[in-house]
Amino acid sequence: SQQGEEDPQALSIQEGENATMNCSYKTSINNLQWYRQNSGRGLVHLILIRSNEREKHSGRLRVTLDTSKKSSSLLITASRAADTASYFCATLRSGSARQLTFGSGTQLTVLP
Amino acid sequence: KAGVTQTPRYLIKTRGQQVTLSCSPISGHRSVSWYQQTPGQGLQFLFEYFSETQRNKGNFPGRFSGRQFSNSRSEMNVSTLELGDSALYLCASSVFADQETQYFGPGTRLLVL
Repeated sequence: SQQGEEDPQALSIQEGENATMNCSYKTSINNLQWYRQNSGRGLVHLILIRSNEREKHSGRLRVTLDTSKKSSSLLITASRAADTASYFCATLRSGSARQLTFGSGTQLTVLP
Repeated sequence: KAGVTQTPRYLIKTRGQQVTLSCSPISGHRSVSWYQQTPGQGLQFLFEYFSETQRNKGNFPGRFSGRQFSNSRSEMNVSTLELGDSALYLCASSVFADQETQYFGPGTRLLVL
């Protein structure tokens, strides 16, 4: 079963615009991570935010976490055609069930 | 450092056969996790190994099994293949068994006919 649901399922923007993707989850978490996947290849880790953090930046990426709403958002600023990929959130649950559970993903297309 | 490698990259099998997939983690990484990715079910956790011990297992039937060797390399085996086992199988490694940042291999794409 999937912990997270992502919104939107697909997003198409022009190069230079910002892209925002949202993720909701169900259980208490230790951390939430975002990964990128290019066309059926392996996943690339982008950023990790811990449950006691509210916002984190890495280059053109900004992640927010609202544990009260069990939601997170990923903002990619000044998007490039090379950002075209699927983006997944993944949560590491609290407690003994320490497995990474992925959301359904957002397919981002950046048009040149 | 070399990344996570998976072999083979592509595989075609028929129903009822069995298959073994291999994963070599990044040097120094002791934890290996396996995931199945399908269009319908998305990314689902199969199992995790650390120091040759299975620490976590996802909700998959017993036909799916795995093991880890003393050099941290891991294999997963699927017996009595079904059409629904067609998927991209991803392996990920991390330094410890806490499943924080994971580094993924390119995957093995399995097609069951």
